[in-house]
Amino acid sequence: GAGVSQSPRYKVAKRGQDVALRCDPISGHVSLFWYQQALGQGPEFLTYFQNEAQLDKSGLPSDRFFAERPEGSVSTLKIQRTQQEDSAVYLCASSLTWGNSNQPQHFGDGTRLSIL
Amino acid sequence: GENVEQHPSTLSVQEGDSAVIKCTYSDSASNYFPWYKQELGKGPQLIIDIRSNVGEKKDQRIAVTLNKTAKHFSLHITETQPEDSAVYFCAASTDMRFGAGTRLTVKP
Repeated sequence: GAGVSQSPRYKVAKRGQDVALRCDPISGHVSLFWYQQALGQGPEFLTYFQNEAQLDKSGLPSDRFFAERPEGSVSTLKIQRTQQEDSAVYLCASSLTWGNSNQPQHFGDGTRLSIL
Repeated sequence: GENVEQHPSTLSVQEGDSAVIKCTYSDSASNYFPWYKQELGKGPQLIIDIRSNVGEKKDQRIAVTLNKTAKHFSLHITETQPEDSAVYFCAASTDMRFGAGTRLTVKP
């Protein structure tokens, strides 16, 4: 079956531009997560949705980062006024459910963002 | 919040040998501990997970052990093969904190 799909796979932007990264989770998965992965590091949690509700955004590094999941399926991570330190791989994961009974998270292959 | 430490950062073994990767966590409320394998240019792939009510879980050549008292859990890979070469990450709920990763190299 189809896994988590992320687009674009690569994104190059100039410093100061806005970018939008898309995540299509596995059909039927209620929970959706965004992570940031710097080179040679483990994924760092950014934010988490249960259906359309953003339950945790404690990992978003600044108010330039914004995520939404308006219909409880596809999600978009938006970064405004990009800076060089935003360069990283952005990973999306989905799971059947999360919280009282954590189900495995399935990851997409990520979007590699490079800010020039 | 949760803090996860992973060791070693790199591990090199001969094909057929065993490999062990260890993680410690800080939040006693964590109850779910997955292990992921990540290959170059790919997202992390779940290889095995364990819940806090279980001490050990096996899946063919892969096993995970959990010591709740000591707050550590380990990944064991037996009869390693070159295709096991990758970066491995542990993670711990409550807020899905990941370890820094272990680069495993299996020499033919």
